[in-house]
Amino acid sequence: DAKTTQPPSMDCAEGRAANLPCNHSTISGNEYVYWYRQIHSQGPQYIIHGLKNNETNEMASLIITEDRKSSTLILPHATLRDTAVYYCIVRPKAAGNKLTFGGGTRVLVKP
Amino acid sequence: DADVTQTPRNRITKTGKRIMLECSQTKGHDRMYWYRQDPGLGLRLIYYSFDVKDINKGEISDGYSVSRQAQAKFSLSLESAIPNQTALYFCATSSTGTDVYGYTFGSGTRLTVV
Repeated sequence: DAKTTQPPSMDCAEGRAANLPCNHSTISGNEYVYWYRQIHSQGPQYIIHGLKNNETNEMASLIITEDRKSSTLILPHATLRDTAVYYCIVRPKAAGNKLTFGGGTRVLVKP
Repeated sequence: DADVTQTPRNRITKTGKRIMLECSQTKGHDRMYWYRQDPGLGLRLIYYSFDVKDINKGEISDGYSVSRQAQAKFSLSLESAIPNQTALYFCATSSTGTDVYGYTFGSGTRLTVV
């Protein structure tokens, strides 16, 4: 699986958009980008995933660069409940369903 | 009731003791996983099972064993607990057809080995 690089931490203001970057310069053509988050020692929660095109769901948007070497998770209107560790994971879609977690980005949403 | 239930939620045990962490699920998923999380770090895969007769080692299986008693139950054992196994343990499930976005995690078991 391709390695990902995320900033260890970031702050954002409540009500503003939170933009979480992820670098995956060694990504292969068959590898998807997945985002999970973990709120205060709870089990991780799936957010969104994508291959090439930008994706949006009720939780977030995922913007993948044209060369696919980096991506950005956007929380459009951050709330205090979005304070969590966010994990960017890159892997083939059919790689045995095993998730490998890196260090993630610790996001603190401030009032 | 939670879809994935882990017991106990918290446990303190002594070095050298055998301890079992249990996981049961009502999702009807065929795949189950055990992860370990140390403070400030991401989750690491210990063991995983794709069906009742399938058990596979993850990246950090030494010192652990598992049992898949039924499709809905997956237990993790520490045969002789040691202090560096102090961690937060998560069970997760997924279905063959839903890929990694279909993971459901339990609430975790906080294990302290003294």
